[in-house]
Amino acid sequence: QKEVEQDPGPLSVPEGAIVSLNCTYSNSAFQYFMWYRQYSRKGPELLMYTYSSGNKEDGRFTAQVDKSSKYISLFIRDSQPSDSATYLCAMKGNTGKLIFGQGTTLQVKP
Amino acid sequence: GAVVSQHPSRVICKSGTSVKIECRSLDFQATTMFWYRQFPKQSLMLMATSNEGSKATYEQGVEKDKFLINHASLTLSTLTVTSAHPEDSSFYICSATQGGSNEKLFFGSGTQLSVL
Repeated sequence: QKEVEQDPGPLSVPEGAIVSLNCTYSNSAFQYFMWYRQYSRKGPELLMYTYSSGNKEDGRFTAQVDKSSKYISLFIRDSQPSDSATYLCAMKGNTGKLIFGQGTTLQVKP
Repeated sequence: GAVVSQHPSRVICKSGTSVKIECRSLDFQATTMFWYRQFPKQSLMLMATSNEGSKATYEQGVEKDKFLINHASLTLSTLTVTSAHPEDSSFYICSATQGGSNEKLFFGSGTQLSVL
């Protein structure tokens, strides 16, 4: 079993839709949770960073962490074609090593 | 924001040759840089952690004699793939942090290596 599980998709939605991206994990020691956006053949870009549980909002993006369920989510409101990319979750625990999910490919159709 | 520049973006080489990839932090000093490898539709796999002025720390299964890492200054780390083979073909990405922690990584744009 992988430490971090993420559905690779692809996920296709119409423009303006609310998008929900998720990751599950098995290591209860994870304390830091990140979401990265990666455009094709480019390096990832940090979108959201959360420590421990709770919600964090930044513009159209909301990150949620539910440590009791070992489940994190990224919500994108009013999705745009420019949001089409691969979204990677990442987590870090007491080992200091960053563990990435496989990434979910999102396509927002105009 | 922090900018990490990676060069070249794409390289095609013959089997047996060596390829050097450069990673520079343009507007901050990076005492630690990380090198990742990514196969299509797969996650980022950490290859090694590069510390300025000291030897890199390699992840299990990564051949240090094949993937030579040099971090000679606070703004430059290089990865040299020695005697490249077709199975080394992959997308290589470097990253760096401000302040040393790795929660907030700034990535380079990646290098697509194709070994013929």
